Amino acid sequence: QKEVEQNSGPLSVPEGAIASLNCTYSDRGSQSFFWYRQYSGKSPELIMSIYSNGDKEDGRFTAQLNKASQYVSLLIRDSQPSDSATYLCAVYNNNDMRFGAGTRLTVKP
Amino acid sequence: DADVTQTPRNRITKTGKRIMLECSQTKGHDRMYWYRQDPGLGLRLIYYSFDVKDINKGEISDGYSVSRQAQAKFSLSLESAIPNQTALYFCATSDLRGIRPDTQYFGPGTRLTVL
Repeated sequence: QKEVEQNSGPLSVPEGAIASLNCTYSDRGSQSFFWYRQYSGKSPELIMSIYSNGDKEDGRFTAQLNKASQYVSLLIRDSQPSDSATYLCAVYNNNDMRFGAGTRLTVKP
Repeated sequence: DADVTQTPRNRITKTGKRIMLECSQTKGHDRMYWYRQDPGLGLRLIYYSFDVKDINKGEISDGYSVSRQAQAKFSLSLESAIPNQTALYFCATSDLRGIRPDTQYFGPGTRLTVL
């Protein structure tokens, strides 16, 4: 069974802080890794993708991948109340995309 | 206009009824997917299609069927709806010929309730 695990939260951080979201996966052959943001009742929206070990930065978001540890994370710097949402980790291998259940993030003003 | 549209957006039906959910896309993508989302379980793949003549079962296809009527249209049917099919259903697309064929883009979702 190919599993993608996330802490369900809720994760609560104050405005301006760094939010750290974590994800582990079981399929060692996984090739591509994604973070989606989902507001309540809305569809998932792609915010980051990462394909090789290390860090990838895009604005306030940084994705980190460690294939040896089968671990991917998302850092959100200078968190804003508008970042309050559920963040879904997704892992892709050979036409098979698996999603974690998501971590709910709350950013308090 | 949205690139991926789903109809209906909300539907309440009764046990045993046949229901169809429709998805259309203007992105020109060849691949289309149907997922369901349940609280605490994340997104699970029901069916996917890589072109009009290619249909594949996903993780949880039992009780569902699909039809790819055209490159831009992919429908999901519940032949005889049951209460545990109550969920949020999403259609998604991806582009095999794109820079990143593994990247999926989601429609707005259909909230289905089976009484």
